Amino acid sequence: QSDLTQPASVSGSPGQSITISCTGTATDVGGYNYLSWYQQHPGKAPRLMIYAVSNRPSGVSSRFSGSKSGNTASLTISGLQLEDEANYYCSSYTSTSTVVFGGGTKLTVL
Amino acid sequence: QVQLQESGPGLVKPSQTLSLTCTVSGGSISSGDYYWTWVRQAPGKGLEWIGYIYYSGSTYYNPSLLGRVALSVDTSKNQFSLKLTSVTAADTAVYYCARTAGWLRFGFDYWGQGTLVTASS
Repeated sequence: QSDLTQPASVSGSPGQSITISCTGTATDVGGYNYLSWYQQHPGKAPRLMIYAVSNRPSGVSSRFSGSKSGNTASLTISGLQLEDEANYYCSSYTSTSTVVFGGGTKLTVL
Repeated sequence: QVQLQESGPGLVKPSQTLSLTCTVSGGSISSGDYYWTWVRQAPGKGLEWIGYIYYSGSTYYNPSLLGRVALSVDTSKNQFSLKLTSVTAADTAVYYCARTAGWLRFGFDYWGQGTLVTASS
């Protein structure tokens, strides 16, 4: 199985909105609404931010939203804050009952 | 509040077997709602899914690790474990245990803090 494709880096200024894409295939991202997003600060464990494409776990800010079109999912962060600076990963369930991660995107808040 | 904690040797010699255990507290590993998962992260790299196990013992593994990886569960101790054989330097990573569920659409909602395992002589 191949990693999902994410941009290596994105950046934005405080208050702006950014979007991170996650591209897979019809056997993972496109085939299921089993797409999750994680935030990871350096030296910390990942934190689940979005599950099932667009659902936020309790405690996650409404500034984080997710969507999907075809084989590409997106994470949008609105009203960027300095604490949003982190690495973001997408993951998807696959047709072989496995899980695959994206390569990760480093978000810099300028 | 569910908590997961990894434990095991931090140093493994090449060609030997890496063994880690994840202890779950605040919830029963026998709950039929959840799958118990291992994820690793090599230094400076991204996340790699290793596999998951259901309390009944059903397992699913990353195809790239097939033949070297085995997960097991001990419901009496509320623990699940990872064994990875024939390790090389490429297996040096922080290993995380995590929880997922069907209703989470296989998102991992609780994670351990991670444990660094170095494969070196």
